[in-house]
Amino acid sequence: DVKVTQSSRYLVKRTGEKVFLECVQDMDHENMFWYRQDPGLGLRLIYFSYDVKMKEKGDIPEGYSVSREKKERFSLILESASTNQTSMYLCASSLGLYGQYFGPGTRLTVT
Amino acid sequence: GENVEQHPSTLSVQEGDSAVIKCTYSDSASNYFPWYKQELGKRPQLIIDIRSNVGEKKDQRIAVTLNKTAKHFSLHITETQPEDSAVYFCAASYEGGADGLTFGKGTHLIIQP
Repeated sequence: DVKVTQSSRYLVKRTGEKVFLECVQDMDHENMFWYRQDPGLGLRLIYFSYDVKMKEKGDIPEGYSVSREKKERFSLILESASTNQTSMYLCASSLGLYGQYFGPGTRLTVT
Repeated sequence: GENVEQHPSTLSVQEGDSAVIKCTYSDSASNYFPWYKQELGKRPQLIIDIRSNVGEKKDQRIAVTLNKTAKHFSLHITETQPEDSAVYFCAASYEGGADGLTFGKGTHLIIQP
């Protein structure tokens, strides 16, 4: 069974802080993704990675960066957190081209 | 880029009745269309998907249809049960999601007893 885990379920940070969200998958998936989920807006793609050290911008990359040093781990970085980045962040992974599996999500509050 | 519209935003049906959720997409190059179910406080779970070389796919009480010409696809749930209550998201992508999915805004399905 695919397992995608995220480092925190809930996180509270102050404006201007640097924030790291970590995602780990244990199924040797090549592809990993970060989405944010906001009420009424659905899920929106921030960044994705199809291999170690590779990254591609999604639909809303502004204010975020990512790191993928190992195949199983994909980190989302908020360089300087702002209140409009308060959201639910979901990581996903996939093997090949189909069927993304999601982590449990991190609810981030920036005050 | 791709844009996915999903309707309705809320759908209330009587238990035992059918439910239909519709999505349209803009990019004719999209060829992979998954549906996710998200229960309150839980992660989205893939429930069914369809690729552009197929017009319909069924899995027990759920089915998805795809009309490539019209660029729309639909989720059909028959004989609805209380456990079907959730938010459902459609999505579209090119190359099967390896570039990331574009999601609709979601449909809150409520099953009335």
